[in-house]
Amino acid sequence: AQRVTQPEKLLSVFKGAPVELKCNYSYSGSPELFWYVQYSRQRLQLLLRHISRESIKGFTADLNKGETSFHLKKPFAQEEDSAMYYCALSASGGGNKLTFGTGTQLKVEL
Amino acid sequence: DGGITQSPKYLFRKEGQNVTLSCEQNLNHDAMYWYRQDPGQGLRLIYYSQIVNDFQKGDIAEGYSVSREKKESFPLTVTSAQKNPTAFYLCASEADWANGYTFGSGTRLTVV
Repeated sequence: AQRVTQPEKLLSVFKGAPVELKCNYSYSGSPELFWYVQYSRQRLQLLLRHISRESIKGFTADLNKGETSFHLKKPFAQEEDSAMYYCALSASGGGNKLTFGTGTQLKVEL
Repeated sequence: DGGITQSPKYLFRKEGQNVTLSCEQNLNHDAMYWYRQDPGQGLRLIYYSQIVNDFQKGDIAEGYSVSREKKESFPLTVTSAQKNPTAFYLCASEADWANGYTFGSGTRLTVV
């Protein structure tokens, strides 16, 4: 069975500092990885997918199969980045159902 | 305005009673999902449906039941067999893998 681990419950950084939200996964096949975000008083929403290799709101994430990681990074944190971030995995042939990590609360301080 | 609607927002249930949570979408999405969210545990999959009249158990299906009689609707029943039903329940739908899930605003169920 697949598993997603987000080791940090809370990450606090200063505005303008680099951000890295860690995500490690356990899965024997070829996974599809996602980052979802929930801003205060808003619904959970897709931030980015590894396969698209895109940058959204300045965030990027690279799939490292050797380290089984999919860390989310941003070079300069902004106050509006404060939110709950979830890493999620879809197993190949898994019918698109997602396995989520426990989430990391990012707090950007002024 | 397309979207996914969960109702009610808050629900209180007495022990031993079944309760049904509503999830409706007008996005014409084929797949729908139910997750349970508990503090410190992230989201755990209860049931999912990829097409009308078909659904599969997720990781924590015991004590829950669903139906998918219409494409737009995927109600979740929390039965008296669910030992710890107090939680926040999220419904999601998906058109295709590339665009990810669209989530509802959730229902908070409290057993009193």
